[in-house]
Amino acid sequence: AQSVTQLGSHVSVSEGALVLLRCNYSSSVPPYLFWYVQYPNQGLQLLLKYTSAATLVKGINGFEAEFKKSETSFHLTKPSAHMSDAAEYFCAVSASNDYKLSFGAGTTVTVRA
Amino acid sequence: NAGVTQTPKFQVLKTGQSMTLQCAQDMNHNSMYWYRQDPGMGLRLIYYSASEGTTDKGEVPNGYNVSRLNKREFSLRLESAAPSQTSVYFCASQRAGMDSPLHFGNGTRLTVT
Repeated sequence: AQSVTQLGSHVSVSEGALVLLRCNYSSSVPPYLFWYVQYPNQGLQLLLKYTSAATLVKGINGFEAEFKKSETSFHLTKPSAHMSDAAEYFCAVSASNDYKLSFGAGTTVTVRA
Repeated sequence: NAGVTQTPKFQVLKTGQSMTLQCAQDMNHNSMYWYRQDPGMGLRLIYYSASEGTTDKGEVPNGYNVSRLNKREFSLRLESAAPSQTSVYFCASQRAGMDSPLHFGNGTRLTVT
């Protein structure tokens, strides 16, 4: 079985500052890892995914995440926050032998002008 | 491209009433999912359908039933609504394989009084 822990339910950053969202996972088999973003009153959209290729994954809107097996982490970063990055972000994990995608509790990002 | 379409967008029910949430996808995806989203709990899987003709329970199936009507449509039924089922419900579809991302609808906001 897989599970995900997102550290911090709320993150507030200044416009232009680094965005860092933390995600740790547990999985008994090599995982597939995803970051999704949810804007108000919308469904989730894929930001990026890790599927055992390169450990540094680049996604849309300038986001990237690094898979670190030794730390069981998949933290999401963006060098310079923009007002449009205000949203809720979800880390998720699945495995090749299980159809159940497990989501973290989510982190809400607010961006201060 | 409509993607994943959910109806209705909003619904208010009284305790004990029944209703069906509809979901349709036009991407020819094999797998479809129903999730519920509650504050601080991320998304929890209710039921999924790995392919046309099959359905399986997820993490929180009690109080719900599903029907995979055909490859496009996957409905979720509440037979006797309870206040604990107040939530936002998301349908998602997936091409094939757990390394493929989920495509989400915009959700149905359900309130049970």
